[in-house]
Amino acid sequence: AQKITQTQPGMFVQEKEAVTLDCTYDTSDPSYGLFWYKQPSSGEMIFLIYQGSYDQQNATEGRYSLNFQKARKSANLVISASQLGDSAMYFCAMRENDGNNRKLIWGLGTSLAVNP
Amino acid sequence: NAGVTQTPKFRVLKTGQSMTLLCAQDMNHEYMYWYRQDPGMGLRLIHYSVGEGTTAKGEVPDGYNVSRLKKQNFLLGLESAAPSQTSVYFCASSRTQTWSEQYFGPGTRLTVT
Repeated sequence: AQKITQTQPGMFVQEKEAVTLDCTYDTSDPSYGLFWYKQPSSGEMIFLIYQGSYDQQNATEGRYSLNFQKARKSANLVISASQLGDSAMYFCAMRENDGNNRKLIWGLGTSLAVNP
Repeated sequence: NAGVTQTPKFRVLKTGQSMTLLCAQDMNHEYMYWYRQDPGMGLRLIHYSVGEGTTAKGEVPDGYNVSRLKKQNFLLGLESAAPSQTSVYFCASSRTQTWSEQYFGPGTRLTVT
């Protein structure tokens, strides 16, 4: 079974509008972390934001925020005031507290296109 | 401070040839990882290392070997390349702290004909 599910293969948003990219996860571990990465067409993977399972508040980093709903096991990425440079693939990933390896479990990604 | 670098950036191999991909990081990170990325498949972990001299298998290790002789370097080897190994390969590293993010290299595009 998929541990990280990104249900939106592709999304469109108008420049300057906000967009939400969905991510649901599956874990029985009470201690886990959720990460979002951006991959522009140039190919590099860029870390955006992190949310810990015990964090009381939703994470924010500039125009990025994480809508963390623990009971629903969702960690949606919200991008406010979209810019053309936000057009990219976005990946959600999870790390469970399963020992010393620091491995990430990745979703399949959502392709975001920002229209001018 | 270059972060994570990968050599080469592009490579074309013929079936049966061998090659080594080099990953280097200058951040003194303990953990290093090799991923492959294929269309529609996301990132899949090939091998990883939790410290100098250690390696472990990831999700798709068959056909690959790795070595971590020095803390800053993580080598990925293909002994006998196959067309199924055509992919983009990413190296990543992370700090010791449990919830540290992974820092990625720019990727290597490998084509096996």
